[in-house]
Amino acid sequence: DIQMTQSPSSLSASVGDRVTITCRASQNIDRFLNWYQHKPGKAPDVLIYAASTLEPGVPSRFSGSGSGTLFTLTISSLQPEDFATYYCQQSHGAPYTFGQGTKLEIK
Amino acid sequence: QVQLVQSGAEVKKPGASVKVSCKASGYTFTDFDVNWVRQAPGQGLEWMGWMSALSGNTDYAQKFQGRVTLTRDTSISTAYMELSSLRSEDTAVYYCARKPYYYDDSGYYSWFDPWGQGTLVTVSS
Repeated sequence: DIQMTQSPSSLSASVGDRVTITCRASQNIDRFLNWYQHKPGKAPDVLIYAASTLEPGVPSRFSGSGSGTLFTLTISSLQPEDFATYYCQQSHGAPYTFGQGTKLEIK
Repeated sequence: QVQLVQSGAEVKKPGASVKVSCKASGYTFTDFDVNWVRQAPGQGLEWMGWMSALSGNTDYAQKFQGRVTLTRDTSISTAYMELSSLRSEDTAVYYCARKPYYYDDSGYYSWFDPWGQGTLVTVSS
């Protein structure tokens, strides 16, 4: 199985900050990498798929990059509604493993 | 709009089984695979398996092999996840999710969207 490792596990930041979350795959997954935002009591929402394609309706302050084994999710200017947990997921093949999550908290 | 609506919360005793439903609307049910993901309290997201809504073919995470069964009823656009031999560690929120996809020269890209609202399954004696 492909292991996905995110860093950091948690992050404190302020509104307006630029934030970057990293996701590392245990083997080459080309660009088969998705990012989700998950808020308590709600279903996860896809932000980015295929490593860098923004899901329609997702604000442009979110961006994704990377290929192979190293990927990043960047939020260019944090907004109050962005405080949530973020997960990467590989779609290279089943089992479609997730990273352990990065909890983004208000400083 | 595209929507997945899941059945309500369940409380089960250890050793029992649970069956969660996921009703699709707003799209042709048989055009997309359905995946199941769970989140235990304080834990991350864990993929359980997928099912082709068209053929009924399935693939399960090794951890759940022999305990999970994914089925569907295409006449009512509904997918089901049944988990047997429940134990306390199975207490979690269970989600279904549609799997959109596209092909390009690099391959087959897929992601989960939308997700159902989640179903809390509590296993307690």
